[in-house]
Amino acid sequence: EPEVTQTPSHQVTQMGQEVILRCVPISNHLYFYWYRQILGQKVEFLVSFYNNEISEKSEIFDDQFSVERPDGSNFTLKIRSTKLEDSAMYFCAAGTGGYEQYFGPGTRLTVT
Amino acid sequence: GIQVEQSPPDLILQEGANSTLRCNFSDSVNNLQWFHQNPWGQLINLFYIPSGTKQNGRLSATTVATERYSLLYISSSQTTDSGVYFCAVDRGSTLGRLYFGRGTQLTVWP
Repeated sequence: EPEVTQTPSHQVTQMGQEVILRCVPISNHLYFYWYRQILGQKVEFLVSFYNNEISEKSEIFDDQFSVERPDGSNFTLKIRSTKLEDSAMYFCAAGTGGYEQYFGPGTRLTVT
Repeated sequence: GIQVEQSPPDLILQEGANSTLRCNFSDSVNNLQWFHQNPWGQLINLFYIPSGTKQNGRLSATTVATERYSLLYISSSQTTDSGVYFCAVDRGSTLGRLYFGRGTQLTVWP
């Protein structure tokens, strides 16, 4: 099965700090996504990215969040000034647009 | 957005038992996926099944798109089947955004 990788697997940061979560999507997929899951809750969509720009974002994805694909392979999610409520598992996914999405193993972010 | 309801919320089984998990959705969909979230939090793809029936070993799934539901069958359950099972759908009007249900927490006892 195609594989999406994410780093780090776990990140602990202090409130107010910036974090960058990294993903290496499947090479021949063109659509990339970030989702998050607060502990004990359902998985929620954050943003989708296609052709080097955001194609859709949810109400959660406010100005403190940004995404980019800096080098054509990595896909990153930046949180500018973390808050306690940003603690969650963050998943990267890749797909071909409207078809099956493949999820990475997730990054567990803990904000203290 | 589209509403995704999963039932039951919790299911406790003895090893060897069979089970059926249900996913109802409120609108027509272009994509439906079933995932298993393991104890480490990873989301494992089980099925991509916008319609029809698929089988993979002890697991099978059926989606009846016209009636807006999908079923996941687990036969001869094992302790390693424990975890949360999520259904997720894509409405088709956007570029693949998935809407997740709240999941079914399955516990299989030896």
